[in-house]
Amino acid sequence: QVHLVQSGAEVKKPGATVTVSCKASGYIFTSYGISWVRRAPGQRLEWMGYISAYTGNTNYPQKFQGRVTMTTYTPTSTAYMRLRSLTSDDTAVYYCARAGSGSSRFFDFWGQGTLVTVSS
Amino acid sequence: EIVLTQSPGTLSLSPGKRATLSCRASQSVNSDFLAWYQQKPGQPPTLLIYGAFSRATGIPDRFSGSGSGTDFTLTIDRLESEDFAVYFCHQYSNSPFTFGPGTKVDIK
Repeated sequence: QVHLVQSGAEVKKPGATVTVSCKASGYIFTSYGISWVRRAPGQRLEWMGYISAYTGNTNYPQKFQGRVTMTTYTPTSTAYMRLRSLTSDDTAVYYCARAGSGSSRFFDFWGQGTLVTVSS
Repeated sequence: EIVLTQSPGTLSLSPGKRATLSCRASQSVNSDFLAWYQQKPGQPPTLLIYGAFSRATGIPDRFSGSGSGTDFTLTIDRLESEDFAVYFCHQYSNSPFTFGPGTKVDIK
C-alpha cells in the first residue's frame, strides 16, 4: 500500500529556512509526482507546487517562486520541500501528496503532515 | 486564479440522511478537473472524488460527485457516523491549483 511519511515538526525563527522531507513507499516513485500543500491556521489549503519524480521538472505558483525549492532523491524515494525567508505567515501544517500528470493531477495519497512554527 | 466557494459552511444532519454539498468556481474548470476530499481532525485529507464524478479506490458508493463547468456537487447518501467531517473541493485545471474553504458536516 502507498505511504508517504514526512519528517517531524519544526520550529524556526523569522528569516530562516525549513526543509521538510517526504519518504514514499508502496509504488514506483518515478511514476508519479509530488505536490506540496499547506494549511495555515484559519486558512484554506494552499498548493505550493509540484515536482515530477521522473523528470525533476517543477511547477511553482507565482506566490512561492523564488522562495520554494522542491527536489527528489530517487534512490530513497524521498521528496524534499525547502522554504526560505520564513515569516510568521508561514506557520502551517505542510503536506506532501502523490500526484499524477495530465488528467490525473489530483492528490490521491497524502503524508501525515508536518507542523512548521515560525516564531521569534 | 480560480476561486472556489463552498456552501453551506456547516451542514447539520442526522445519521442516515442525505448530505448535498456545493462547490462553485469563479471560472469554468476545464475538463472537469475537480476533486473532493474528506478531512478529519488531526488527519490529512482523503481523496473521495476526482474528475468531478469518479470515485477514488475504496470509497463507498454512497459518495457521488456531479456537475461541470462552474458548479459541482458532492452527495453523501445515508450518512454514517464516520462521514461527519470537513469536505473540500479542489480544482487542478489551472495553475495555481486551488481549494475551497470547506463544508463541515456535523451531527444534528
